Amino acid sequence: KAGVTQTPRYLIKTRGQQVTLSCSPISGHRSVSWYQQTPGQGLQFLFEYFSETQRNKGNFPGRFSGRQFSNSRSEMNVSTLELGDSALYLCASSPGQGTSYTFGSGTRLTVV
Amino acid sequence: QKEVEQDPGPLSVPEGAIVSLNCTYSNSAFQYFMWYRQYSRKGPELLMYTYSSGNKEDGRFTAQVDKSSKYISLFIRDSQPSDSATYLCAMSVGNTGKLIFGQGTTLQVKP
Repeated sequence: KAGVTQTPRYLIKTRGQQVTLSCSPISGHRSVSWYQQTPGQGLQFLFEYFSETQRNKGNFPGRFSGRQFSNSRSEMNVSTLELGDSALYLCASSPGQGTSYTFGSGTRLTVV
Repeated sequence: QKEVEQDPGPLSVPEGAIVSLNCTYSNSAFQYFMWYRQYSRKGPELLMYTYSSGNKEDGRFTAQVDKSSKYISLFIRDSQPSDSATYLCAMSVGNTGKLIFGQGTTLQVKP
């Protein structure tokens, strides 16, 4: 059974640009969550999608947005990149109610 | 004050030792408690998943939840060098998909 797949694995962008990250959940999983991981702040919740609807949102500025498609695949977009957006972005998926989340290996974003 | 507090370590133990990892939390509404292991350049891997208070055992790993003290623990028996990683506790209120993580404890098991 394939795990959670995130693409690309590594990305280098310039300040002010925008970026789109992709996440393919485990087959059958309908919930997808996104997290930002940095050495200083650790793992912080960005948002969660379930059946194409954003169900929960963390405390990040509006530059961070996401969406989920009918096949449960999800994308995350960051506009007007700042140096502080450099981080490991992790996606996690779950079948749904009362179940645990499986993480992908992440996308390492570096903003220069 | 953070909702979930975890000693970042690092923690260094000899092979075969019993390891105790702990987290405290302030939000009494947390219902689901998890432990993840993260190797360098990898995503977190779920080790233990518990609902409410009590103990749960899986092989060399035992998770304990004490909701009255707002304290959770992970015990690793007969620790191996391959257990060297960062261990993260995580919690959630209901099934919102929003996990609140501790800072992670870096563990090194020396041969």
